[in-house]
This record gives sequence, structure tokens and C-alpha cells, in this order.
Amino acid sequence: GAGVSQSPSNKVTEKGKDVELRCDPISGHTALYWYRQSLGQGLEFLIYFQGNSAPDKSGLPSDRFSAERTGGSVSTLTIQRTQQEDSAVYLCASSFQRGDQETQYFGPGTRLLVL
Amino acid sequence: GENVEQHPSTLSVQEGDSAVIKCTYSDSASNYFPWYKQELGKRPQLIIDIRSNVGEKKDQRIAVTLNKTAKHFSLHITETQPEDSAVYFCAPNVGGYNKLIFGAGTRLAVHP
Repeated sequence: GAGVSQSPSNKVTEKGKDVELRCDPISGHTALYWYRQSLGQGLEFLIYFQGNSAPDKSGLPSDRFSAERTGGSVSTLTIQRTQQEDSAVYLCASSFQRGDQETQYFGPGTRLLVL
Repeated sequence: GENVEQHPSTLSVQEGDSAVIKCTYSDSASNYFPWYKQELGKRPQLIIDIRSNVGEKKDQRIAVTLNKTAKHFSLHITETQPEDSAVYFCAPNVGGYNKLIFGAGTRLAVHP
């Protein structure tokens, strides 16, 4: 079946502009995660949606970052007033919420470049 | 918060040798211990995982061992091949839930 998809695959923007990144999880997956990966670095947790519960926003680096998940499916990560240090690959992942099916399946990522 | 450390950060081996990467964690409630592989320019993919009720799990050339008392688990790759070259991440769960915290990664290079 279809995997996790993300759009756009690449985004170049100017400092100070807002950007929206989209994630379509695997159908039926109730958990959705956003990570940020700077060049040559590890995965930095940003936010976690789990079914109908309040999202875990503990990884968002500043109030310029926000995310929502509509209808328990598609999610959008918004970065306002982008800064050069926001340049990175933004990865989305989804999984079942059941305790024995934690495997996270990643999308291809959105490569963001802030000039 | 959860503290996850991987060692070594880089590892270089000759084809056919074994490679071992160790991950230590701090959350005593962690009960799920996966390893992800990320090839250059690609997305991370799960290669093996283990749960806290098991001490070792094997899948062909790869294995994971868990020492829950000492709070560490290790990835073992035997008979390494050039296609094993990648960055490997451990990602124990937090508080027994689905949220994973990724280590900083280990860059493995397998030389022919």
C-alpha cells in the first residue's frame, strides 16, 4: 500500500516568510510524528499526535513552530517568520497506536532552505 | 527528560568483519528498543527491534541484545557488506509509550 508522503519535497524561502509542510500518513495509522534533521545530524523530535488526545508539543523549538492534524489524518507543520537556522530536512512518520505496533514509518522528508 | 547516547559515533570496518553499536538510555520505563538505518539521502527505516521481555533477537546478519538492568542495548552486524554502510540510530521509547527518542547516530563505513 501507499507509504507516508510529504509535500513539498523541497522548499526554498526567504528569511521572515511563513512556510507550511504537509504530511499524509499511512491509512489507518493513528499516531503521527514530526522530526527535524539538520545536515549530518540526528533526528530531533518536534511534535507527536496520538489519536484524539492532546498532542505532545514538547519538542517544538519556539512559538514560531506549530502543527495541526485535521480529521485524524493529514498533518501540517507551520513555521512562521522563518530563520536561517530553520534550514533542515523535516521528516514525518506514522505508526499504529497499539503498544505492540510501534514501528514508525517515515516519509521522504521536506528539505527546507531559508535564505 | 530521556537521555539517549550512542557509541561509537563513527565506525569503520573491513568487509566481512563484525560491527557493534551500543545505545544507553535513562528512562527505566522504556520497554521498546528499535534500531533504524538511514542510507545517504534516504529516509530512516526500521531494521530490528526488541521488547523488554526478551534479551536477544536475531534476523539473519543482524541482532540486538538488551541489558535492561544496565539500561543499554546493542546492535550487532556480522559479515558486514558495503551495502551496510549507513547511519544507524537507536530510538528507545519514552515512558512505555509510542514516542521514540533517537540517538545521535553512528556512521558505519564498510570498506571492500
